[in-house]
Amino acid sequence: GAGVSQSPSNKVTEKGKDVELRCDPISGHTALYWYRQSLGQGLEFLIYFQGNSAPDKSGLPSDRFSAERTGGSVSTLTIQRTQQEDSAVYLCASSFESGGPAQTQYFGPGTRLLVL
Amino acid sequence: EDKVVQSPLSLVVHEGDTVTLNCSYEVTNFRSLLWYKQEKKAPTFLFMLTSSGIEKKSGRLSSILDKKELFSILNITATQTGDSAVYLCAVRSGGTSYGKLTFGQGTILTVHP
Repeated sequence: GAGVSQSPSNKVTEKGKDVELRCDPISGHTALYWYRQSLGQGLEFLIYFQGNSAPDKSGLPSDRFSAERTGGSVSTLTIQRTQQEDSAVYLCASSFESGGPAQTQYFGPGTRLLVL
Repeated sequence: EDKVVQSPLSLVVHEGDTVTLNCSYEVTNFRSLLWYKQEKKAPTFLFMLTSSGIEKKSGRLSSILDKKELFSILNITATQTGDSAVYLCAVRSGGTSYGKLTFGQGTILTVHP
């Protein structure tokens, strides 16, 4: 597609429920990243995928968070047993590669998650 | 732990003013520094800097990197109300987390007519 797309754009859920957030990267981009932005804060790295390599999960805040990337394209971020502190904007980004010159990350519009 | 600090945290100016936003960093194995503009949700890419002393320019915006002093500045001349946004600085570092960016907390710029 023309840009990174994410769905849903907004999600309101109750504490304890599971949620799934979806990211469609730019066509041809091999690297995909998830970030979280809490109110008034900078972006916090969560996880990234590069091609067929094992993902870097070093930023996931707890084992309630997981992500998959199927077929090297679409990614799903899953948060189990949501807590109120999970409320944030979840941003996805993609790039051609993670470490070379074409490493500029392009961001999607984000999913605003509110846990009541 | 990699660290990126931006200053000021917020800035209010009038149209036509020139502003300078600062970004300092402490990272292991620096690779590149990026500036983004965030108006609503999605940060949009402005510049990527890898070499010290070489200015990147796009219209009224310009940026330069000083790898010796570990900082970058983003200049905006003749500001317009449309420049109002959060400006994010991010650094890519080497090591095991080769792909991730470490972001600063952002500078909120407000341009009044």
